[in-house]
Amino acid sequence: EAGVAQSPRYKIIEKRQSVAFWCNPISGHATLYWYQQILGQGPKLLIQFQNNGVVDDSQLPKDRFSAERLKGVDSTLKIQPAKLEDSAVYLCASSLVPQGTYGYTFGSGTRLTVV
Amino acid sequence: AQTVTQSQPEMSVQEAETVTLSCTYDTSESDYYLFWYKQPPSRQMILVIRQEAYKQQNATENRFSVNFQKAAKSFSLKISDSQLGDAAMYFCAYRSVYNNNDMRFGAGTRLTVKP
Repeated sequence: EAGVAQSPRYKIIEKRQSVAFWCNPISGHATLYWYQQILGQGPKLLIQFQNNGVVDDSQLPKDRFSAERLKGVDSTLKIQPAKLEDSAVYLCASSLVPQGTYGYTFGSGTRLTVV
Repeated sequence: AQTVTQSQPEMSVQEAETVTLSCTYDTSESDYYLFWYKQPPSRQMILVIRQEAYKQQNATENRFSVNFQKAAKSFSLKISDSQLGDAAMYFCAYRSVYNNNDMRFGAGTRLTVKP
């Protein structure tokens, strides 16, 4: 089966600019996650979708971050305006089982550098 | 809140030898899932092995096995017959069965395999 697709692979922007990341999960996976992985740290959950509804966005900085999942399939994560501390790898993951108890399938991530 | 600790930022092993990566976690829950993920330079998180807390038997996947000590809240990963392709970041992760959200990751251990 095809994996989780993410684009772009790399992005460099100046602070205060906006940026968007795209994720296409594995077909049939109802649950989609966005993680932020700062250099030297483990991934941290930003938002979780079940189909096209938000299950948890408690750790999403809503003053600058937003996310949507179109028709319960593709998802877009946006940052506006970006700050230097947003430099990180943004990972998208999906799971077939809602609770993800069988583990998630991750994409290769987008490395964001804010200068 | 659950926390995951990986006390070894870096480890190295000689090719064909065995190495053990450590992980401890803190939780008040009685049932949960534990995972080890591998992250090569490609950045994609790859599921290595999964353990269900209610199962006493340690999980094994080919050259990978775990030592799950529930009372001690310890979940170490043993890699036997190490190969050059095993070189990567390894992340330990905790997933609650009571909470639909937030797979929590440790900070990771960078494994180097010496030829």
